[in-house]
Amino acid sequence: DAGVIQSPRHEVTEMGQEVTLRCKPISGHNSLFWYRQTMMRGLELLIYFNNNVPIDDSGMPEDRFSAKMPNASFSTLKIQPSEPRDSAVYFCASAGAVSTDGYTFGSGTRLTVV
Amino acid sequence: GIQVEQSPPDLILQEGANSTLRCNFSDSVNNLQWFHQNPWGQLINLFYIPSGTKQNGRLSATTVATERYSLLYISSSQTTDSGVYFCAVRTGGFKTIFGAGTRLFVKA
Repeated sequence: DAGVIQSPRHEVTEMGQEVTLRCKPISGHNSLFWYRQTMMRGLELLIYFNNNVPIDDSGMPEDRFSAKMPNASFSTLKIQPSEPRDSAVYFCASAGAVSTDGYTFGSGTRLTVV
Repeated sequence: GIQVEQSPPDLILQEGANSTLRCNFSDSVNNLQWFHQNPWGQLINLFYIPSGTKQNGRLSATTVATERYSLLYISSSQTTDSGVYFCAVRTGGFKTIFGAGTRLFVKA
C-alpha cells in the first residue's frame, strides 16, 4: 500500500482565496482524521470521520473551515476564505476498524497564506 | 479532558548514548502510540502500545496503564534519531490527544 496520500505537498496562496487540501486514506481503513500542526499549538485534531461520516468536528476552528468525505477513498479539507493565521502543516491520518497498529499519517500539506 | 505530559521537553545526546522519554497521562486510556517526527516533518508510527512492552531494533517501549505512564527507550542513539517524539493517547472512540513532544538532537 502507498500509505496515506496527501496533496498538494506545499500550497502558497493569497489571503482571501479558497484552499482545498486532499487526502486518500489507506485502502480498508474506515477512520480518517485531519490534524493541524503549528509551533504555537502543536498537533490539533480538526475533525475525524468514521465510515465516511463526520463524528467529531469540534476542533474545526471557524466556519471558514469545512471537510468532506464523499467516499471511503477520498477526503477534502477546505478553507474559504483563507487568512494568514491559517498557515500551518495540515496532516491527514487513517486507521482501520481493528486498531492493532493505530494511526498512519500522510506526509502533510504545508500551507502558507500571504 | 485527558492531559498528556511528556518529559523532558528537550534532549541533547552524544551519538551512541541511551535515553528514556516519558509520557504521563491523567486518565485511563485504551490506546497509546509513540510517533517520531523527523526533521523533514514526517510523522512515523513507532509503537502502538496500550500496555506491556514492545521492541523494534534499538527502540523499545513500555506502558504501565494502571500507573498511567509510558516510556520510550532509545539505545545507541544515532543522528537519524533526531526529531520530535510524540506520545498520543485515546480514551474512547477514535479521538486521540497528542502530548507536546520531546525534541531530541543527537550530536555526531
